[in-house]
Amino acid sequence: ETVLTQSPGTLSLSPGERATLSCRASQSVGSNYLAWYQQKPGQAPRLLIYDASGRAPGIPDRFSGSGSGTDFTLTISRLEPEDFAVYYCQQYIDPPLTFGQGSTVEIK
Amino acid sequence: QITLKESGPTLVKPTQTLTLTCTFSGFSLSSSGVGVGWIRQTPGKALQGLAFTYWYDHESYHPSLKNRLIITKDTSKNQVVLTMANMDPVDTATYYCVYRPPIFSGRSLFESWGQGILVSVSS
Repeated sequence: ETVLTQSPGTLSLSPGERATLSCRASQSVGSNYLAWYQQKPGQAPRLLIYDASGRAPGIPDRFSGSGSGTDFTLTISRLEPEDFAVYYCQQYIDPPLTFGQGSTVEIK
Repeated sequence: QITLKESGPTLVKPTQTLTLTCTFSGFSLSSSGVGVGWIRQTPGKALQGLAFTYWYDHESYHPSLKNRLIITKDTSKNQVVLTMANMDPVDTATYYCVYRPPIFSGRSLFESWGQGILVSVSS
């Protein structure tokens, strides 16, 4: 089973700042079998990024993904108030699919 | 518009069998590339994929839970049912029904999620 480790656990930033979140896999997930989800309190996760860098329908272009192999990054270029949430990465190259433990982006 | 809604008991006793139903609309499980499944989230917020069913009558299960899970589909009713045997307090979680659209065929990617149902396991 592929273990995904996310860092930092919590990121404290102000609106307008840039957020950079990391996801590291215990083994290669190939060039792009990595997704990112956003979850707000009381809501289900929402797919943001698929195939490491593809934006899901309706996702603003301030969200971008990059990386390959074992190291991936989610970047939010300029934080909007609605972006403060928990972010999870997910791999889907190696069954069973697995998720990281989550990174929280909180208002500073 | 894609919608999914979970239904079932919110409290079960240890050793009982849990049965959850996902009723969906906006797509057909007989359409090529479509998948529906279940993901749970523990109170500590960990996410775990449980079971998935696909348009071509294939199912997949989490290996460590495979002997406790059964997923079935009824395409005429637009429903997917998950049964989980021998429930334990560690199975307390929010259970989500999820949808994989045809554009993600071959990949375990979930574009739509239900609101989730919190299931507690306690005597």
